[in-house]
Amino acid sequence: NAGVTQTPKFQVLKTGQSMTLQCAQDMNHEYMSWYRQDPGMGLRLIHYSVGAGITDQGEVPNGYNVSRSTTEDFPLRLLSAAPSQTSVYFCASSRTEWNEQFFGPGTRLTVL
Amino acid sequence: GENVEQHPSTLSVQEGDSAVIKCTYSDSASNYFPWYKQELGKRPQLIIDIRSNVGEKKDQRIAVTLNKTAKHFSLHITETQPEDSAVYFCAASLSYKLIFGSGTRLLVRP
Repeated sequence: NAGVTQTPKFQVLKTGQSMTLQCAQDMNHEYMSWYRQDPGMGLRLIHYSVGAGITDQGEVPNGYNVSRSTTEDFPLRLLSAAPSQTSVYFCASSRTEWNEQFFGPGTRLTVL
Repeated sequence: GENVEQHPSTLSVQEGDSAVIKCTYSDSASNYFPWYKQELGKRPQLIIDIRSNVGEKKDQRIAVTLNKTAKHFSLHITETQPEDSAVYFCAASLSYKLIFGSGTRLLVRP
Protein backbone atom coordinates (compact mmCIF):
# COMPACT_ATOMS: atom_id res chain seq x y z
CA ASN A 1 0.00 0.00 0.00
CA ALA A 2 1.23 3.48 -0.86
CA GLY A 3 -0.77 5.01 2.02
CA VAL A 4 -1.45 8.73 1.51
CA THR A 5 0.27 10.37 -1.45
CA GLN A 6 0.47 14.07 -2.30
CA THR A 7 1.64 15.91 -5.39
CA PRO A 8 3.52 18.08 -5.98
CA LYS A 9 6.19 18.06 -3.25
CA PHE A 10 7.13 21.68 -3.91
CA GLN A 11 5.38 24.50 -5.76
CA VAL A 12 6.05 28.18 -6.35
CA LEU A 13 3.15 30.36 -7.47
CA LYS A 14 2.71 34.00 -8.26
CA THR A 15 0.01 36.02 -6.52
CA GLY A 16 -3.32 35.49 -8.25
CA GLN A 17 -2.49 32.15 -9.84
CA SER A 18 -4.64 29.11 -9.14
CA MET A 19 -3.60 25.51 -8.66
CA THR A 20 -4.73 22.16 -7.31
CA LEU A 21 -2.89 20.12 -4.71
CA GLN A 22 -3.53 16.43 -5.23
CA CYS A 23 -4.14 13.89 -2.47
CA ALA A 24 -4.91 10.20 -2.80
CA GLN A 25 -5.16 7.26 -0.40
CA ASP A 26 -5.43 3.53 -1.02
CA MET A 27 -6.65 2.42 2.41
CA ASN A 28 -10.38 2.80 1.67
CA HIS A 29 -10.65 5.44 4.39
CA GLU A 30 -13.88 7.41 4.59
CA TYR A 31 -12.44 10.43 6.42
CA MET A 32 -9.99 12.76 4.69
CA SER A 33 -8.76 16.20 5.63
CA TRP A 34 -6.42 19.01 4.61
CA TYR A 35 -4.22 20.94 7.03
CA ARG A 36 -1.79 23.80 6.66
CA GLN A 37 1.24 24.06 8.92
CA ASP A 38 2.85 27.38 9.67
CA PRO A 39 5.73 27.96 12.12
CA GLY A 40 4.50 28.24 15.70
CA MET A 41 0.88 27.62 14.76
CA GLY A 42 0.61 23.87 14.60
CA LEU A 43 -1.69 22.20 12.12
CA ARG A 44 -4.84 24.07 11.14
CA LEU A 45 -7.76 22.27 9.52
CA ILE A 46 -8.76 23.72 6.15
CA HIS A 47 -11.48 21.34 4.90
CA TYR A 48 -12.52 17.78 5.62
CA SER A 49 -14.68 15.04 4.14
CA VAL A 50 -16.52 12.18 5.82
CA GLY A 51 -17.11 10.31 2.57
CA ALA A 52 -17.49 10.64 -1.18
CA GLY A 53 -19.70 13.59 -2.05
CA ILE A 54 -19.55 15.10 1.47
CA THR A 55 -17.22 17.96 2.40
CA ASP A 56 -17.25 20.66 5.07
CA GLN A 57 -15.21 23.60 6.25
CA GLY A 58 -12.55 23.48 8.93
CA GLU A 59 -10.88 26.30 10.88
CA VAL A 60 -9.35 28.22 7.95
CA PRO A 61 -11.34 27.50 4.75
CA ASN A 62 -11.19 30.92 3.06
CA GLY A 63 -9.40 30.88 -0.29
CA TYR A 64 -9.61 27.09 -0.67
CA ASN A 65 -12.07 24.70 -2.32
CA VAL A 66 -12.35 20.93 -2.11
CA SER A 67 -14.37 18.17 -3.69
CA ARG A 68 -14.63 14.42 -3.04
CA SER A 69 -15.91 12.59 -6.09
CA THR A 70 -14.30 9.28 -5.10
CA THR A 71 -13.26 7.65 -1.82
CA GLU A 72 -9.60 7.71 -2.90
CA ASP A 73 -9.08 11.33 -3.98
CA PHE A 74 -9.43 14.63 -2.16
CA PRO A 75 -7.92 17.55 -4.13
CA LEU A 76 -7.45 21.02 -2.64
CA ARG A 77 -7.86 23.99 -4.95
CA LEU A 78 -6.35 27.41 -4.37
CA LEU A 79 -8.59 29.84 -6.22
CA SER A 80 -6.36 32.94 -6.36
CA ALA A 81 -3.09 32.43 -4.51
CA ALA A 82 -1.97 35.02 -1.94
CA PRO A 83 1.36 35.31 -0.06
CA SER A 84 -0.54 34.45 3.16
CA GLN A 85 -1.10 30.98 1.70
CA THR A 86 2.63 30.24 1.77
CA SER A 87 2.75 27.16 3.97
CA VAL A 88 3.26 23.41 4.15
CA TYR A 89 0.07 21.53 3.28
CA PHE A 90 -0.69 18.08 4.62
CA CYS A 91 -3.44 15.76 3.54
CA ALA A 92 -4.55 13.02 5.95
CA SER A 93 -6.95 10.10 5.98
CA SER A 94 -8.46 7.83 8.62
CA ARG A 95 -11.18 5.23 8.99
CA THR A 96 -13.28 7.67 11.02
CA GLU A 97 -12.56 10.96 12.76
CA TRP A 98 -11.87 8.97 15.97
CA ASN A 99 -9.08 6.84 14.50
CA GLU A 100 -5.42 7.43 13.68
CA GLN A 101 -4.96 9.94 10.89
CA PHE A 102 -2.34 8.94 8.35
CA PHE A 103 -0.60 11.96 6.88
CA GLY A 104 0.82 12.40 3.42
CA PRO A 105 4.40 13.68 2.93
CA GLY A 106 3.25 17.28 2.51
CA THR A 107 3.45 19.95 -0.19
CA ARG A 108 5.60 23.01 0.43
CA LEU A 109 3.93 25.97 -1.28
CA THR A 110 5.46 29.39 -1.76
CA VAL A 111 3.39 32.28 -3.12
CA LEU A 112 5.40 35.26 -4.36
CA GLY B 1 -15.75 25.81 17.92
CA GLU B 2 -13.09 23.82 19.70
CA ASN B 3 -9.88 25.48 20.87
CA VAL B 4 -6.81 23.58 22.08
CA GLU B 5 -4.04 25.21 24.13
CA GLN B 6 -0.70 23.43 24.51
CA HIS B 7 2.14 24.10 26.95
CA PRO B 8 5.05 24.47 27.05
CA SER B 9 6.07 25.56 23.56
CA THR B 10 9.61 24.30 24.16
CA LEU B 11 10.94 21.75 26.62
CA SER B 12 14.53 20.71 27.24
CA VAL B 13 15.31 17.68 29.42
CA GLN B 14 18.33 15.55 30.24
CA GLU B 15 18.41 12.07 28.76
CA GLY B 16 16.74 9.67 31.18
CA ASP B 17 14.50 12.31 32.74
CA SER B 18 10.74 12.52 32.25
CA ALA B 19 8.92 15.01 30.04
CA VAL B 20 5.35 16.22 30.49
CA ILE B 21 3.33 18.19 27.93
CA LYS B 22 -0.08 19.58 28.83
CA CYS B 23 -3.11 20.53 26.76
CA THR B 24 -6.48 22.05 27.56
CA TYR B 25 -9.57 22.03 25.38
CA SER B 26 -12.60 24.28 25.39
CA ASP B 27 -15.58 22.11 24.40
CA SER B 28 -16.66 19.44 26.87
CA ALA B 29 -18.26 17.44 24.01
CA SER B 30 -14.81 16.59 22.54
CA ASN B 31 -14.39 12.84 22.71
CA TYR B 32 -11.08 11.79 21.15
CA PHE B 33 -7.59 13.04 22.06
CA PRO B 34 -4.59 11.91 19.99
CA TRP B 35 -0.94 12.88 20.27
CA TYR B 36 1.30 13.19 17.22
CA LYS B 37 5.08 13.34 16.91
CA GLN B 38 6.71 15.20 14.06
CA GLU B 39 10.41 14.92 13.35
CA LEU B 40 12.15 17.64 11.39
CA GLY B 41 11.04 17.65 7.75
CA LYS B 42 8.75 14.67 8.24
CA ARG B 43 5.02 14.14 8.45
CA PRO B 44 3.18 13.90 11.81
CA GLN B 45 2.71 10.39 13.14
CA LEU B 46 0.39 9.15 15.88
CA ILE B 47 2.13 8.02 19.05
CA ILE B 48 -0.81 7.48 21.40
CA ASP B 49 -4.49 8.39 21.69
CA ILE B 50 -7.23 8.27 24.29
CA ARG B 51 -11.01 8.36 24.15
CA SER B 52 -13.24 10.31 26.50
CA ASN B 53 -14.42 7.21 28.38
CA VAL B 54 -10.87 6.38 29.51
CA GLY B 55 -8.79 8.24 32.12
CA GLU B 56 -5.32 6.93 31.35
CA LYS B 57 -3.53 4.91 28.70
CA LYS B 58 0.05 3.63 28.57
CA ASP B 59 2.28 2.31 25.84
CA GLN B 60 5.77 1.44 27.03
CA ARG B 61 7.49 4.76 27.94
CA ILE B 62 4.54 6.91 26.84
CA ALA B 63 1.35 7.59 28.76
CA VAL B 64 -1.59 9.95 28.34
CA THR B 65 -3.96 11.09 31.08
CA LEU B 66 -7.34 12.74 30.59
CA ASN B 67 -9.27 14.85 33.10
CA LYS B 68 -12.69 15.49 31.57
CA THR B 69 -13.88 17.65 34.45
CA ALA B 70 -10.97 20.05 34.07
CA LYS B 71 -10.87 19.61 30.28
CA HIS B 72 -7.19 18.87 30.11
CA PHE B 73 -5.01 16.00 29.02
CA SER B 74 -1.28 15.37 29.29
CA LEU B 75 1.46 13.38 27.59
CA HIS B 76 4.10 11.77 29.81
CA ILE B 77 7.35 10.40 28.39
CA THR B 78 9.57 8.54 30.84
CA GLU B 79 13.26 7.63 30.48
CA THR B 80 13.66 10.07 27.60
CA GLN B 81 16.12 9.26 24.83
CA PRO B 82 17.73 11.52 22.20
CA GLU B 83 15.45 10.01 19.54
CA ASP B 84 12.47 11.44 21.45
CA SER B 85 13.59 14.90 20.30
CA ALA B 86 10.84 16.19 18.01
CA VAL B 87 7.76 18.42 17.96
CA TYR B 88 4.73 16.95 19.72
CA PHE B 89 1.14 17.97 18.97
CA CYS B 90 -1.97 17.28 20.98
CA ALA B 91 -5.40 17.37 19.36
CA ALA B 92 -9.08 17.15 20.25
CA SER B 93 -11.89 15.83 18.06
CA LEU B 94 -15.33 17.42 18.00
CA SER B 95 -18.07 17.05 15.38
CA TYR B 96 -15.80 15.50 12.76
CA LYS B 97 -13.11 18.15 13.23
CA LEU B 98 -9.67 17.35 14.67
CA ILE B 99 -8.22 20.53 16.17
CA PHE B 100 -4.51 20.64 17.00
CA GLY B 101 -2.55 22.49 19.63
CA SER B 102 0.35 24.69 18.56
CA GLY B 103 3.01 22.11 19.38
CA THR B 104 5.84 21.51 21.87
CA ARG B 105 9.43 21.27 20.72
CA LEU B 106 11.11 18.65 22.92
CA LEU B 107 14.89 18.52 23.10
CA VAL B 108 16.51 15.61 24.92
CA ARG B 109 20.10 16.45 25.85
CA PRO B 110 22.48 13.46 25.85
